[in-house]
Amino acid sequence: DAGITQSPRHKVTETGTPVTLRCHQTENHRYMYWYRQDPGHGLRLIHYSYGVKDTDKGEVSDGYSVSRSKTEDFLLTLESATSSQTSVYFCASRPPGRFSYNEQFFGPGTRLTVL
Amino acid sequence: KNQVEQSPQSLIILEGKNCTLQCNYTVSPFSNLRWYKQDTGRGPVSLTIMTFSENTKSNGRYTATLDADTKQSSLHITASQLSDSASYICVVSADFGNEKLTFGTGTRLTIIP
Repeated sequence: DAGITQSPRHKVTETGTPVTLRCHQTENHRYMYWYRQDPGHGLRLIHYSYGVKDTDKGEVSDGYSVSRSKTEDFLLTLESATSSQTSVYFCASRPPGRFSYNEQFFGPGTRLTVL
Repeated sequence: KNQVEQSPQSLIILEGKNCTLQCNYTVSPFSNLRWYKQDTGRGPVSLTIMTFSENTKSNGRYTATLDADTKQSSLHITASQLSDSASYICVVSADFGNEKLTFGTGTRLTIIP
């Protein structure tokens, strides 16, 4: 978890409300990722970023948007939270370059409950 | 569809014993395979990474093997310790950019004294 923090760590919200999760890294990594982890599923990629203001969709992007205005911060927004978005959300980052193919560094996670 | 399957889903062993976790994958094209350890309430931490040309790699008491022909990998833990209690996740990358990772659902390992 070193160098990557997530906030908040826990959040309970109601259906229909907007929610923003924050990921902050101090490693100056170019690439950042948002995943969700649910029972019975492996981690699934929501969105990722390959630089400031450069983002792309992952396999489960519906209902989520992201923004990256600074290298160190990657925000995940649920515009109108639904119960199906109850999950544990992980942020990850990695440095650029072919020889870093093997390492994504994960944050501690945010447990989100949508009632 | 790319898939990673792990077995067993859960495992309980006595402290000091050895164990082996299995991972089968159908990911193409294959770039590399890694094993992560995830403690309860924490993010995954990388243990080992192997490309198709590597068939074994060690990290302390953890030894991973890879058979790219049969698309199988295993993680062997020697002389288990209580701190080894965690979920172990097999992850396969389909490209060098790491954007196409397929995660297994993990094996939940519990070490009892």
